[in-house]
Amino acid sequence: SQQGEEDPQALSIQEGENATMNCSYKTSINNLQWYRQNSGRGLVHLILIRSNEREKHSGRLRVTLDTSKKSSSLLITASRAADTASYFCATDPQNAGNMLTFGGGTRLMVKP
Amino acid sequence: DAGVIQSPRHEVTEMGQEVTLRCKPISGHNSLFWYRQTMMRGLELLIYFNNNVPIDDSGMPEDRFSAKMPNASFSTLKIQPSEPRDSAVYFCASSPRGQGKENIQYFGAGTRLSVL
Repeated sequence: SQQGEEDPQALSIQEGENATMNCSYKTSINNLQWYRQNSGRGLVHLILIRSNEREKHSGRLRVTLDTSKKSSSLLITASRAADTASYFCATDPQNAGNMLTFGGGTRLMVKP
Repeated sequence: DAGVIQSPRHEVTEMGQEVTLRCKPISGHNSLFWYRQTMMRGLELLIYFNNNVPIDDSGMPEDRFSAKMPNASFSTLKIQPSEPRDSAVYFCASSPRGQGKENIQYFGAGTRLSVL
């Protein structure tokens, strides 16, 4: 079952604008990850944030995690047309073996 | 490393036929996952293996689906007999979890299955 729920389901912005996607989950986690999927391709890991971390940066990506609210956000700054893709959050639940639980994804379109 | 390799990339078959999807995980990874992705249901975990042993197959939809991992470098997902509702993109992923590394999954390019 899908634990993570992304919001919004779809987002359309202009190149240069920032894009923010949110993820909510239900159980205690070891970490939370964000993946990107370009059309017709497999998912690619972007960034991981551990349960004891609150914020993490990687290039133009900024991820926050609020374990008290069981939520995370992914911010892409200065978006580019090449950022057009679907973005998925995935949680690594505690006591769930090696499984990740993926959300339904946010479809991001960046218009040139 | 070449990454996770899946074959075939595309498969078109007729209802009732047997379909076999193949996956070669990244060398040294000890966990392997099979997913199915459709517009309606999103990304669904079908089954995963640790050290070649099936751990959780609760996502396998029916007895028509079976998966094997005879060794650390090869896995198959078989559908027999196939039905039109099996049409989807099937992904294989591997992970080095349990080897002192984070549980990050590396996905193959997927197999797009169309059952007519």
